[in-house]
Amino acid sequence: AAGVIQSPRHLIKEKRETATLKCYPIPRHDTVYWYQQGPGQDPQFLISFYEKMQSDKGSIPDRFSAQQFSDYHSELNMSSLELGDSALYFCASSARDGPSGNTIYFGEGSWLTVV
Amino acid sequence: GDSVTQMEGPVTLSEEAFLTINCTYTATGYPSLFWYVQYPGEGLQLLLKATKADDKGSNKGFEATYRKETTSFHLEKGSVQVSDSAVYFCALSEGDTGRRALTFGSGTRLQVQP
Repeated sequence: AAGVIQSPRHLIKEKRETATLKCYPIPRHDTVYWYQQGPGQDPQFLISFYEKMQSDKGSIPDRFSAQQFSDYHSELNMSSLELGDSALYFCASSARDGPSGNTIYFGEGSWLTVV
Repeated sequence: GDSVTQMEGPVTLSEEAFLTINCTYTATGYPSLFWYVQYPGEGLQLLLKATKADDKGSNKGFEATYRKETTSFHLEKGSVQVSDSAVYFCALSEGDTGRRALTFGSGTRLQVQP
């Protein structure tokens, strides 16, 4: 079965640079979520989109922005990167209806290292 | 707000031992409850879920029962294997729209020794 696809899997950036992460949700899933997991931490919710509109907002820094496009893929843009932004970034998706309703499925994550 | 509390790890067991990882929650409504597993260097995988009181989720020998009276969703397995070594996250999601984000517990690392 198709899963959530994230790219790139690994990314190294310097401080003050910009990074963009991409996410392709499971087909027919209408909601996309972004999470940040620091080393040894639990995943922290950043932001979500439902039908291309922002749905919920968590602890996303002002330096970060995200959007969902007409094909339902989403991008997380991170600017003015700081060392503390080094983390594993998860994208997840869910569908309102159907047998998997209310279940959020995660991608394998994108490792961002800021040096 | 919503919160999830898990027992602290690491939990170290010998192969074939019985596993319990405690999880309790605080929520304003009637959440759905989940266990996710994260193997070393990998992403989060859904292990099991329960969407209403007294539901039992089960998968790969793991099971957890949604206990509304004690607001708990403890994870159990009768006989653990070395391959079960991972970090286990308890999580909840409120609302019936399927659009609410997950609230995670802090995770419990399980180490199974041969």
